[in-house]
Amino acid sequence: GAVVSQHPSWVICKSGTSVKIECRSLDFQATTMFWYRQFPKQSLMLMATSNEGSKATYEQGVEKDKFLINHASLTLSTLTVTSAHPEDSSFYICSTPYGGTENEQFFGPGTRLTVL
Amino acid sequence: DAKTTQPTSMDCAEGRAANLPCNHSTISGNEYVYWYRQIHSQGPQYIIHGLKNNETNEMASLIITEDRKSSTLILPHATLRDTAVYYCIVRVSNTGNQFYFGTGTSLTVIP
Repeated sequence: GAVVSQHPSWVICKSGTSVKIECRSLDFQATTMFWYRQFPKQSLMLMATSNEGSKATYEQGVEKDKFLINHASLTLSTLTVTSAHPEDSSFYICSTPYGGTENEQFFGPGTRLTVL
Repeated sequence: DAKTTQPTSMDCAEGRAANLPCNHSTISGNEYVYWYRQIHSQGPQYIIHGLKNNETNEMASLIITEDRKSSTLILPHATLRDTAVYYCIVRVSNTGNQFYFGTGTSLTVIP
């Protein structure tokens, strides 16, 4: 199956700083990537859809100015958490559809963000 | 996309079949049923999907009722490594491609 990587796998930062998370598709071109957030013992919540060459589409309630998404190439999407606060501490996961008409998705391994 | 209902948790003895149910009574005719699982602190892993016919692959079998209002994921011989949260998702295959996850079933395989 398709391989999706994320970097870093975990990050600890101070409150008020910005953190960038990368999502890469390693063996195919991804025009679309999705970003999810998962708090402890909860399910994944879709945050936004990242589209190569255009603006991201955000889910209701997600602040686009706080969670900046850049999909600059067909293999890379980045999520920047700006002015991070402790409540932004979460597990961030990206995914991308992979071919075919039935489009099962492949997920990255996730990035654990801890804001102190 | 249709909502799904799954039991919160289940136990299964190692080596036995694990049968995970999912109700999707409002599913539309063009919505597929997808199953994913998430092992702790990892990204979700694709298991199987289907439209109306039963499906089988190297990981699992998917049984969809004739009226498509429910389905069952079967892990034929559960191992300890199958302990995970299992998500049943229904979605039209080409509608933006995003998945909306429900609460899933936490499966614990017991030695």
